[in-house]
Amino acid sequence: DAGVIQSPRHEVTEMGQEVTLRCKPISGHNSLFWYRQTMMRGLELLIYFNNNVPIDDSGMPEDRFSAKMPNASFSTLKIQPSEPRDSAVYFCASTLGRGSSYNEQFFGPGTRLTVL
Amino acid sequence: AQKVTQAQTEISVVEKEDVTLDCVYETRDTTYYLFWYKQPPSGELVFLIRRNSFDEQNEISGRYSWNFQKSTSSFNFTITASQVVDSAVYFCALSEASGGGADGLTFGKGTHLIIQP
Repeated sequence: DAGVIQSPRHEVTEMGQEVTLRCKPISGHNSLFWYRQTMMRGLELLIYFNNNVPIDDSGMPEDRFSAKMPNASFSTLKIQPSEPRDSAVYFCASTLGRGSSYNEQFFGPGTRLTVL
Repeated sequence: AQKVTQAQTEISVVEKEDVTLDCVYETRDTTYYLFWYKQPPSGELVFLIRRNSFDEQNEISGRYSWNFQKSTSSFNFTITASQVVDSAVYFCALSEASGGGADGLTFGKGTHLIIQP
């Protein structure tokens, strides 16, 4: 299995620009998560989807952030406009929401975002 | 609200020593899951173990072992005969079980483990 795929792996942009991060979950997984990792705040959950439906977006920092999951094999996290404080590593993870492997979340390699 | 505390920010030991990483959690739910993840210098997050709140049996996997004690709300991780390749940041995490599908993880701040040759 290819694992969780994220693109791009690195993104450098200027303040005010729109940024779109992409994620392909493991085939057959029905839950998808977006996390952010910073030195100051550690690993924090931004939003997650079960069966393509957003369940909890309380971790999304503000209205500049939005996430979509149009189908079971693709999700995006968009930041517009981006700000320097958004600089972080953004991880996508997926899991089965049922069964003996319940909630064993497998993470993608992350996208390192730098906003200048 | 749920919370995970890893009080040890950094631990440094010499190779072949045993080392224990502490994890204390808080939750109001009676059904929940505990996890450990490893983040090596390359940056990826590697799943190590998941335990549910109804299973307090200790688990051993090679040089790794986990001790889950509900009485003290702890889920500690021990590496026996540590090796340089064990050097990484280790995260403890918690999720509650909503019953409607998977749930997001609440992570501790992580413990940076340094194994010196």
